[in-house]
Amino acid sequence: NAGVTQTPKFRVLKTGQSMTLLCAQDMNHEYMYWYRQDPGMGLRLIHYSVGEGTTAKGEVPDGYNVSRLKKQNFLLGLESAAPSQTSVYFCASSYSIGGTNYGYTFGSGTRLTVV
Amino acid sequence: DAKTTQPPSMDCAEGRAANLPCNHSTISGNEYVYWYRQIHSQGPQYIIHGLKNNETNEMASLIITEDRKSSTLILPHATLRDTAVYYCIVSNQQGGSEKLVFGKGTKLTVNP
Repeated sequence: NAGVTQTPKFRVLKTGQSMTLLCAQDMNHEYMYWYRQDPGMGLRLIHYSVGEGTTAKGEVPDGYNVSRLKKQNFLLGLESAAPSQTSVYFCASSYSIGGTNYGYTFGSGTRLTVV
Repeated sequence: DAKTTQPPSMDCAEGRAANLPCNHSTISGNEYVYWYRQIHSQGPQYIIHGLKNNETNEMASLIITEDRKSSTLILPHATLRDTAVYYCIVSNQQGGSEKLVFGKGTKLTVNP
């Protein structure tokens, strides 16, 4: 039971390059989330998904796109990377019963540096 | 959205109880209080959550005041491995999903 798996774990990009971060969960959770964490800060929500084929913007969505083509996968794309996107990216998943959130599980993070 | 206030840092001696406070004076009636922790640079880890009653599990206890405006996370016998940033979060139920809004948390240092 792997939980939430993020790939890659580390990446260095040049300004203007593109890349996709993959998040996979094997818990059959409906909801998935992408957060970023900058040094000394808490996590900030980028985008989230409440189910296969649906996505929504979070607190800091600019410069990112996401897709949820399969229930178990949530992809985060950077079309033209900028140094301001240097951060640690965390994926999470959860399920909800009657409005109460259960099983909120985070991946181990992807450390992205844009030079 | 309800917001939380936590002290930026706390120290605790190994083996003693660690009591981490959190203020959430604008919490609404259907919002839960969640606690997570983040050890070094790992992904956050769920600890406990509650609505209005005190809760206990194998990791910690959560004490919520009767007016629900504040809560305390208690680690009964802190170990060095409990050194982490602890986040107190009030649930946000916009858009049909329950997104967690993180503040800066409390950096707990357990000293030998």
